[in-house]
Amino acid sequence: DGGITQSPKYLFRKEGQNVTLSCEQNLNHDAMYWYRQDPGQGLRLIYYSQIVNDFQKGDIAEGYSVSREKKESFPLTVTSAQKNPTAFYLCASSKRGARETQYFGPGTRLLVL
Amino acid sequence: AQTVTQSQPEMSVQEAETVTLSCTYDTSESDYYLFWYKQPPSRQMILVIRQEAYKQQNATENRFSVNFQKAAKSFSLKISDSQLGDAAMYFCAYRSVKMDSNYQLIWGAGTKLIIKP
Repeated sequence: DGGITQSPKYLFRKEGQNVTLSCEQNLNHDAMYWYRQDPGQGLRLIYYSQIVNDFQKGDIAEGYSVSREKKESFPLTVTSAQKNPTAFYLCASSKRGARETQYFGPGTRLLVL
Repeated sequence: AQTVTQSQPEMSVQEAETVTLSCTYDTSESDYYLFWYKQPPSRQMILVIRQEAYKQQNATENRFSVNFQKAAKSFSLKISDSQLGDAAMYFCAYRSVKMDSNYQLIWGAGTKLIIKP
C-alpha cells in the first residue's frame, strides 16, 4: 500500500526537551513538507525539501529542525527553542514540480506537559 | 503575498441536499492552482478537488464541483446530495507555480460542515 505514515500519533513533550516527529513515504515522491495546524487556522509551512540532502525554511521555522538523508524520510525535530509547540503537525509529499498535488499523512498531535 | 479567505466558519445542510462553501483569494499571478481539502474528525487532510487557473472549465469529482470565477478571484465548492460522511472541516488552498514560491500551499482558515440527518 502506497502512502505517507507519521508517528507517533500523540507525543508529549516536557519543558526543555527536544522531540522528533517521524514522516515516511513510499510514493517515490521527491518533495516533502512539514505543516503546523493550530485551532481555527489553516496550515502553516515549517520546512520543505525538494530533494535529498536539501531543505529550506518555511514561514515558521524558528524552533524546528529537519533532515533529509533519505528520499523516503523527512523527520521534524521540535527543539526547546520552540516556546509554543502544542499543535497538530502534518507531513505532506508530492512529485517534484509546480503542477504536482501534495498528499498528506495522518498527522501527529504534540502536547506539552 | 497571496491570501486565502473563507468567510463561513460553519455551515450546515440537510442530508441529501446541496451546499456551497465559499472561498476568495488574492493574487497578482495569472497561473496558479486552487484546491479544496477535507479534514474529517480523524484529522487526515484529504484532497477533494483541484482547479488549474488557466483552465476555464470548472473541475468536478463525482458529487463535488467548483465554481471558479478567475476575475472575481472566487473559488466555491458545491457538494451535491450531501452525505453524513461529508461532515468535516473544508479548507481552500492556493498554490503558485512560480519556482521562488517553493510551491507551498497558502491556506484559508477552514469551514466546518455539519450534515443534519
